[in-house]
Amino acid sequence: EPEVTQTPSHQVTQMGQEVILRCVPISNHLYFYWYRQILGQKVEFLVSFYNNEISEKSEIFDDQFSVERPDGSNFTLKIRSTKLEDSAMYFCASRTRTGVDTEAFFGQGTRLTVV
Amino acid sequence: AQKVTQAQTEISVVEKEDVTLDCVYETRDTTYYLFWYKQPPSGELVFLIRRNSFDEQNEISGRYSWNFQKSTSSFNFTITASQVVDSAVYFCALGLIQGAQKLVFGQGTRLTINP
Repeated sequence: EPEVTQTPSHQVTQMGQEVILRCVPISNHLYFYWYRQILGQKVEFLVSFYNNEISEKSEIFDDQFSVERPDGSNFTLKIRSTKLEDSAMYFCASRTRTGVDTEAFFGQGTRLTVV
Repeated sequence: AQKVTQAQTEISVVEKEDVTLDCVYETRDTTYYLFWYKQPPSGELVFLIRRNSFDEQNEISGRYSWNFQKSTSSFNFTITASQVVDSAVYFCALGLIQGAQKLVFGQGTRLTINP
């Protein structure tokens, strides 16, 4: 069964460092998302990406964040200068098309720890 | 604005008891969809069910059942004859049709099934 794959599963980084979280969406999917879950809290939407551009972003997704689909298979989230409060689980999701009959498939998540 | 409320932060029951997790949502959209996800201790989000706003039929899948009541904007989840493996955090989410079709999650309910 096709699945969304995220790497690494756990990343520890020093405050101020850049970090790139990687995702390989399901191959025929067209819509891509990043969500964030701070420990013990709810899952929050960060950004959506379609047709090689951001289609929507939340208030959380400030200038420190960027997304890219560099090669047609990977979908990356970059945090330029990490802060302690960026520590969270980051989920990538993808969907094949719009409509009420589709759902987003989530990856297993990357746990980011900023020290 | 869209919002999902899961008023029960934590529930603890003894194995084999039935348990209902509540979910109330708010949206002005007439077309939307609703989800339940399970998050086990390993952290991934496991899709359980999707229900669109046109379909108020209740659904049963094994020990799991869902009650969608549009009149009260609720989408409750019942586990019958609970098992220790059901212990997890459960998230209800509202899926939007407009825009990027992001998911809006509730705060989650931590369910603990004691042997």
